[in-house]
Amino acid sequence: RKEVEQDPGPFNVPEGATVAFNCTYSNSASQSFFWYRQDCRKEPKLLMSVYSSGNEDGRFTAQLNRASQYISLLIRDSKLSDSATYLCVVSRNTGFQKLVFGTGTRLLVSP
Amino acid sequence: DAGVIQSPRHEVTEMGQEVTLRCKPISGHDYLFWYRQTMMRGLELLIYFNNNVPIDDSGMPEDRFSAKMPNASFSTLKIQPSEPRDSAVYFCASGETDQYSNQPQHFGDGTRLSIL
Repeated sequence: RKEVEQDPGPFNVPEGATVAFNCTYSNSASQSFFWYRQDCRKEPKLLMSVYSSGNEDGRFTAQLNRASQYISLLIRDSKLSDSATYLCVVSRNTGFQKLVFGTGTRLLVSP
Repeated sequence: DAGVIQSPRHEVTEMGQEVTLRCKPISGHDYLFWYRQTMMRGLELLIYFNNNVPIDDSGMPEDRFSAKMPNASFSTLKIQPSEPRDSAVYFCASGETDQYSNQPQHFGDGTRLSIL
């Protein structure tokens, strides 16, 4: 079993749709959680950190469920520019240094 | 501000040759990370440094791989001898210690390595 598991997709949605991704992690000691975004042939870029109480950044909402060890990302009002691979990332220890990346969920937003 | 700078952007070389990848972290960052990304395995942490000292190299695949950080602004990842299965995108990232644990890592553009 992988430490971080994600549905690879692709998720094909029309512009304006709401789409949600889930991710599960196996290490209960993980303390730091992130969503990164990676465009084709580009480097991963931080989309948002994920906090225990849940957090929102514009059209993006992240939730953390420690009891069930899963993380979610909700994208509202999808834009064409949201098309990318979304990487779920958790720390392997109590710090932020040893990050484990999921293999990503691919999102395709169409006109 | 300048981000993480990696060179070269692309490298194509023959099996058995030595390959050296270079990285300049963001100024002031005290952590530096080397990752490898392949389609099959995704993004994997190879090694990371704190204040120029290697902290964890458990992700380094074998003795053919070595990494150094001679100063706070420069690191190298070396593969000698290279093999076709080393073909991947190699990313360098840097980060900083902060009172908040949720500090992100910032990635360079990556080096796309092809071993023929």
